[in-house]
Amino acid sequence: SQTIHQWPATLVQPVGSPLSLECTVEGTSNPNLYWYRQAAGRGLQLLFYSVGIGQISSEVPQNLSASRPQDRQFILSSKKLLLSDSGFYLCAWMPASGLPIAGELFFGEGSRLTVL
Amino acid sequence: AQSVTQLGSHVSVSEGALVLLRCNYSSSVPPYLFWYVQYPNQGLQLLLKYTTGATLVKGINGFEAEFKKSETSFHLTKPSAHMSDAAEYFCAVWLYSSASKIIFGSGTRLSIRP
Repeated sequence: SQTIHQWPATLVQPVGSPLSLECTVEGTSNPNLYWYRQAAGRGLQLLFYSVGIGQISSEVPQNLSASRPQDRQFILSSKKLLLSDSGFYLCAWMPASGLPIAGELFFGEGSRLTVL
Repeated sequence: AQSVTQLGSHVSVSEGALVLLRCNYSSSVPPYLFWYVQYPNQGLQLLLKYTTGATLVKGINGFEAEFKKSETSFHLTKPSAHMSDAAEYFCAVWLYSSASKIIFGSGTRLSIRP
């Protein structure tokens, strides 16, 4: 069966420090991968998605970047964190093709980032 | 461009009462539509989805939703609320014929009164 792991679960970082959140998927190959951010009262915002190694699509201009160095690994990074980067970050994967689970996202447990 | 609007950021119902969470979408092509549920400090999990075919879809935990193309709506309902239904609910749309983006609504927090 497929599983998704996301870490760290909780992170407290000072303003201006770097960030690295990691996400890996097991039990599948060539998944589509996603990073979402959930800020208080602002729903779920799509940050990045990837349909293959090295292929990253950015949805929102921001202080963050994403990379996909391996097929089932997705990394969210920042060189210098801002206060506004605080939030709950969710990684998710979707099968690249095929029914009946087409379009269904499978989420990790999330990473809560607090920037002080 | 596709978008999803959830009316009401917070809905409160009594235990045993009808649950109705509203979702409207905007899409230039037939979308796939989803409802996800999120319990505190957890990721999201799928409740139900509409792809093609029958417009009334049933999901887990007694929830169902009806796709109404004429109204561009996909409202979520449950006949009788249970305390364990308290959570945040998200409606989402996927344009399967284009890029692999899934767009979520802003979410509705459901509270259940004893």
